[in-house]
Amino acid sequence: GAGVSQSPRYKVTKRGQDVALRCDPISGHVSLYWYRQALGQGPEFLTYFNYEAQQDKSGLPNDRFSAERPEGSISTLTIQRTEQRDSAMYRCASSPRLAGGRNTGELFFGEGSRLTVL
Amino acid sequence: QQQVKQSPQSLIVQKGGIPIINCAYENTAFDYFPWYQQFPGKGPALLIAIRPDVSEKKEGRFTISFNKSAKQFSLHIMDSQPGDSATYFCAASMGADKLIFGTGTRLQVFP
Repeated sequence: GAGVSQSPRYKVTKRGQDVALRCDPISGHVSLYWYRQALGQGPEFLTYFNYEAQQDKSGLPNDRFSAERPEGSISTLTIQRTEQRDSAMYRCASSPRLAGGRNTGELFFGEGSRLTVL
Repeated sequence: QQQVKQSPQSLIVQKGGIPIINCAYENTAFDYFPWYQQFPGKGPALLIAIRPDVSEKKEGRFTISFNKSAKQFSLHIMDSQPGDSATYFCAASMGADKLIFGTGTRLQVFP
């Protein structure tokens, strides 16, 4: 399909395990964002990339969280030593840029990866 | 300074009514203010957005009103329909990167 694709859609893991969440953005989109959305809340910014460069990781909660986008396309969000408080919907979004490099401002969100840590 | 405060948390209107959702921000450096619509089980999708050089923007039945001095902006939905029932999020950012979202308003429009 032409939209943002995330996998797995659902992940149940035990406390202490590592998890990797994958995002395949819309082809040609320069910017890629990771957000976390708790039930009944707005998306909370985690980090974002332009091409392969991580521009801002100020929203990552602690050093157990990391993200990469090595070839400027697919991105992986990794959570090490998961804890129950990490349970949430993790959403990826991508965005194109205008010819002058400015962000259009429109984020295209995927359907998310729901993480449950037991 | 990074927060965006949204109200009300939920809203119920009859078909044809005009629901209004309000947001307030603190950071005067914000220069991009979008509204996103989210249906159950789906990701948020951009509905309409405004920049601070205008006080109002209309797209179809959706209107953003922006008050720069009060640091507030609102979404109005004219002639609301049952299909408008969804959760609405306001957001703000500098340069349209790193959107900071409000907590959301769940809107229900009854026939």
